[in-house]
Amino acid sequence: AQTVTQSQPEMSVQEAETVTLSCTYDTSESDYYLFWYKQPPSRQMILVIRQEAYKQQNATENRFSVNFQKAAKSFSLKISDSQLGDAAMYFCAYRSIQGGSEKLVFGKGTKLTVNP
Amino acid sequence: DSGVTQTPKHLITATGQRVTLRCSPRSGDLSVYWYQQSLDQGLQFLIQYYNGEERAKGNILERFSAQQFPDLHSELNLSSLELGDSALYFCASSVGIGTGSYEQYFGPGTRLTVT
Repeated sequence: AQTVTQSQPEMSVQEAETVTLSCTYDTSESDYYLFWYKQPPSRQMILVIRQEAYKQQNATENRFSVNFQKAAKSFSLKISDSQLGDAAMYFCAYRSIQGGSEKLVFGKGTKLTVNP
Repeated sequence: DSGVTQTPKHLITATGQRVTLRCSPRSGDLSVYWYQQSLDQGLQFLIQYYNGEERAKGNILERFSAQQFPDLHSELNLSSLELGDSALYFCASSVGIGTGSYEQYFGPGTRLTVT
């Protein structure tokens, strides 16, 4: 079974600075998808960014980018020019590409605080 | 706003009772997922439906059941409730299944408190 590990329960960053959240996963599959979700105090789960394992190029969405290291099974999220609205729980998630289930497997999350 | 709706937002009930949580997926999405978020277990997958058929089961208790109706809305039924069932229950939807990326979009959740 796949597992996702987020080793940083909490992180903090100064407004306008850059922060990187770590995620590692364990799988025997060669193709899969990885996601980062944001959960602000409102508790809504918001999709931040997606990475396909077969793509070597790292995904980017505005201020959010990932560092995907397939061999190391590492998938970190970099937030540039941090804003107060980035404060939230961030969850890393794995989705198998094999048929039968498209469930997401989540890490325990990292709580990000943005200091003004 | 993800386009996924869930009702009710909050639910407070007593042990032993039964409740029904409702989810309407985004327009055009055929697949519905239910997840439970609790402090001790984190975010756990419960069950998935695709176009009315059960597709996958996760860590869903026998006291829990779900279904997806012809109009594609889904209901999660929780019975013989225990204190430990208190959690945030999310519904998510995606347009398809299989090898496509098919991002899952989450509803706002239903906060269940069992007293």
